[in-house]
Amino acid sequence: QVVLTQSPSASASLGASVKLTCTLSSGHSTYAIAWHQQQPEKGPRYLMKLNSDGSHSKGDGIPDRFSGSSSGAERYLTISSLQSEDEAVYYCQTWGTGIRVFGGGTKLTVL
Amino acid sequence: QVQLVESGGGLVKPGGSLRLSCSASGFTFSDFYMGWIRQAPGEGLEWVSYISTTGSMIYYADSVKGRFTISRDNAKNSLFLHMNSLRADDTAVYYCARDPTSSHFDFWGQGTLVTVSS
Repeated sequence: QVVLTQSPSASASLGASVKLTCTLSSGHSTYAIAWHQQQPEKGPRYLMKLNSDGSHSKGDGIPDRFSGSSSGAERYLTISSLQSEDEAVYYCQTWGTGIRVFGGGTKLTVL
Repeated sequence: QVQLVESGGGLVKPGGSLRLSCSASGFTFSDFYMGWIRQAPGEGLEWVSYISTTGSMIYYADSVKGRFTISRDNAKNSLFLHMNSLRADDTAVYYCARDPTSSHFDFWGQGTLVTVSS
């Protein structure tokens, strides 16, 4: 069964860029994923679907500052020109027939 | 615009039952798979269940299999989660979400809190 691994925390300065990582378990390196953002005290918000070749499709209204990329079993979310409202927990998610899987989430702190 | 509004949460005793509802608007409900995801206090997201467009395909996480039942009423643009034999570790905010291609979730509701406690 596929497992997604994320670092528990990350931090970066206001106006800087940050790259968050989601790692697919062995044998699942071709899986696509989705990235979701959860700001404090809010429900999750879909950011994008990210394929193994790095192509991605973003959700409605997601700013250009958010982008995705892939390398092997790693899936990345890059946020540029960090703003205070980007402080949130970021979850990756994947799927198979009969299952949906979430990573543990990365809490991003904007300094 | 797409809206998903959950309701039905509340306080229930261990062993009790509860039915959650999710009212959908702003899209053709019958064209989309739908799912339930939960989040225990201070924890991450946990997938619970999903259902196909017609309800012919239904899947559950092992943690709720045999106790929870997902269903939908396409005529009423509504998704449901019937929860039986509730336990303390079912305490969570429950979100409904739209699943456009039987894969990822692309719109989420705001959630409804279920608390299981004596």
